[in-house]
Amino acid sequence: AQRVTQPEKLLSVFKGAPVELKCNYSYSGSPELFWYVQYSRQRLQLLLRHISRESIKGFTADLNKGETSFHLKKPFAQEEDSAMYYCALRSGGSNYKLTFGKGTLLTVNP
Amino acid sequence: GAGVSQTPSNKVTEKGKYVELRCDPISGHTALYWYRQSLGQGPEFLIYFQGTGAADDSGLPNDRFFAVRPEGSVSTLKIQRTERGDSAVYLCASSLSAGTGVNYGYTFGSGTRLTVV
Repeated sequence: AQRVTQPEKLLSVFKGAPVELKCNYSYSGSPELFWYVQYSRQRLQLLLRHISRESIKGFTADLNKGETSFHLKKPFAQEEDSAMYYCALRSGGSNYKLTFGKGTLLTVNP
Repeated sequence: GAGVSQTPSNKVTEKGKYVELRCDPISGHTALYWYRQSLGQGPEFLIYFQGTGAADDSGLPNDRFFAVRPEGSVSTLKIQRTERGDSAVYLCASSLSAGTGVNYGYTFGSGTRLTVV
């Protein structure tokens, strides 16, 4: 069975500090990993996916198959980054179903 | 439409009542998904439609839950004999089709917050 673990429920940093939101997964095959973000009073939206290898809003995430991790990083946090972040996995076999972690609430203080 | 539309945005119902939640996907999106998000949890898969048919309903918690998509566009999630444990945000998403790659990303609706009292 596939599982996504986000060990931190809450993460608080100061503006300009580096931030890392942790995500570990459990899946025997070749997964597709995503980060979704939900800003206050907005809908859930895709932030980035590992296959695109892109940087969005200064965030990057690298898939580490050895450590089964997909941590989200940003070198200098901004107040507008405050949001709920969800890591999600899509398996290769059933490639429509997303398995989400429980989420991490990031607060960036001024 | 421009995005995925869900109605109502909030629904309060009494225990034992029947409710219907509606999802209007992006025009042209053949794949439609329902997820449920309980307090403090991430979204959990309920059911997936490809066109009019439910291709995977393995996430529906029990037979009180049922969903339809008769014309391959709008979908309705139906919950019979509601229980307090059904209280959650019900999310709908759609995609062009089901598959991997950039063109198959989900677009989520704003959700329906269901409260069973």
